[in-house]
Amino acid sequence: NAGVTQTPKFQVLKTGQSMTLQCAQDMNHNSMYWYRQDPGMGLRLIYYSASEGTTDKGEVPNGYNVSRLNKREFSLRLESAAPSQTSVYFCASSEEEGQPQHFGDGTRLSIL
Amino acid sequence: GENVEQHPSTLSVQEGDSAVIKCTYSDSASNYFPWYKQELGKRPQLIIDIRSNVGEKKDQRIAVTLNKTAKHFSLHITETQPEDSAVYFCAASIYKLVFGAGTILRVKS
Repeated sequence: NAGVTQTPKFQVLKTGQSMTLQCAQDMNHNSMYWYRQDPGMGLRLIYYSASEGTTDKGEVPNGYNVSRLNKREFSLRLESAAPSQTSVYFCASSEEEGQPQHFGDGTRLSIL
Repeated sequence: GENVEQHPSTLSVQEGDSAVIKCTYSDSASNYFPWYKQELGKRPQLIIDIRSNVGEKKDQRIAVTLNKTAKHFSLHITETQPEDSAVYFCAASIYKLVFGAGTILRVKS
């Protein structure tokens, strides 16, 4: 039972490049989330999907897009990467909104 | 929207002592309060949570208390051990979690 799986684990991009971060969960959870973690700022919600077919903005959505591909998978896309998007990105899932969230191992993204 | 403040930002204790981390929240409608532990380079892991209809919850050496009137909740770790050293995050939620900035706990042996 893998829980929440994120790929890739590490990535270096140049300013202006695009990339997609992948997330998949095998717990049959309805809700999925993308966070970024920066030093001294805790975890901030970028986008979330309360259920399959729905997505909503979180606290810091600018520069990102998401796709809830199916119940298992929720991807995060950076269309034109900027140095300010250098961060650790975590995907999480929960049975429903307001329920305990389970996190993946994170993607460490550096943008030069 | 919800705002969560967490104190202290760093906490050093001697092995065997107790540690207390406090959080305040702004939205009185918040009804779910989890605590996460994050070791260096690892994922956040849920260690304990409490809902607004409960005032206190314990799990072995860890306890969480909630004061809805004052809108604050606290994590208590007793008999601290070196493996308790980590960053601890509180969060408050109606539907979406809003996290505090974290507390670095160092347990000195």
